[in-house]
Amino acid sequence: NAGVMQNPRHLVRRRGQEARLRCSPMKGHSHVYWYRQLPEEGLKFMVYLQKENIIDESGMPKERFSAEFPKEGPSILRIQQVVRGDSAAYFCASSQDPWGTQYFGPGTRLLVL
Amino acid sequence: ELKVEQNPLFLSMQEGKNYTIYCNYSTTSDRLYWYRQDPGKSLESLFVLLSNGAVKQEGRLMASLDTKARLSTLHITAAVHDLSATYFCAVYSNDYKLSFGAGTTVTVRA
Repeated sequence: NAGVMQNPRHLVRRRGQEARLRCSPMKGHSHVYWYRQLPEEGLKFMVYLQKENIIDESGMPKERFSAEFPKEGPSILRIQQVVRGDSAAYFCASSQDPWGTQYFGPGTRLLVL
Repeated sequence: ELKVEQNPLFLSMQEGKNYTIYCNYSTTSDRLYWYRQDPGKSLESLFVLLSNGAVKQEGRLMASLDTKARLSTLHITAAVHDLSATYFCAVYSNDYKLSFGAGTTVTVRA
């Protein structure tokens, strides 16, 4: 019974490059959430997706960030032209239904040099 | 915007003693979660509290919810070393977002 899977676990990028973070939800879960965690802080909501739909992206910066959850395959969080301030841990969570318990993946730790 | 405040942010516990972490939130919600995070790891769900007066217990941890006061507490009984971690409370608002507190970093010393 695999949990939420994220890859890569660690990602190093130079300023201006693109970062692609992947998330496979738990089996049977169709609701995916992305969060960002800065050191010594709590998690900040970024985006909530269902299959092929973005439900709420109010926590995601308008520029350079995008997310998708295609019909087939994992959810992708894409950060274009990364800057040092993008360095953080990015967590994906999934739930079986809205307002259900969210189960978290191991996170992707992004470091921008 | 829903605000969630935890206190204390840092808690140094002595083994064997009891402690409480508080979680206040700013708008009506009847669904509150407690998570645990070990350094460099993901979040582990500890408790889901779904109604006023709800109380859940697991081992040395007990969580309660008072929706009228918009307050949840996480009580630790007879602290032991393996409880050292960061504990987050999180609250659902009406728009499907889960808002997190800043976390309480717990260190248990002998």
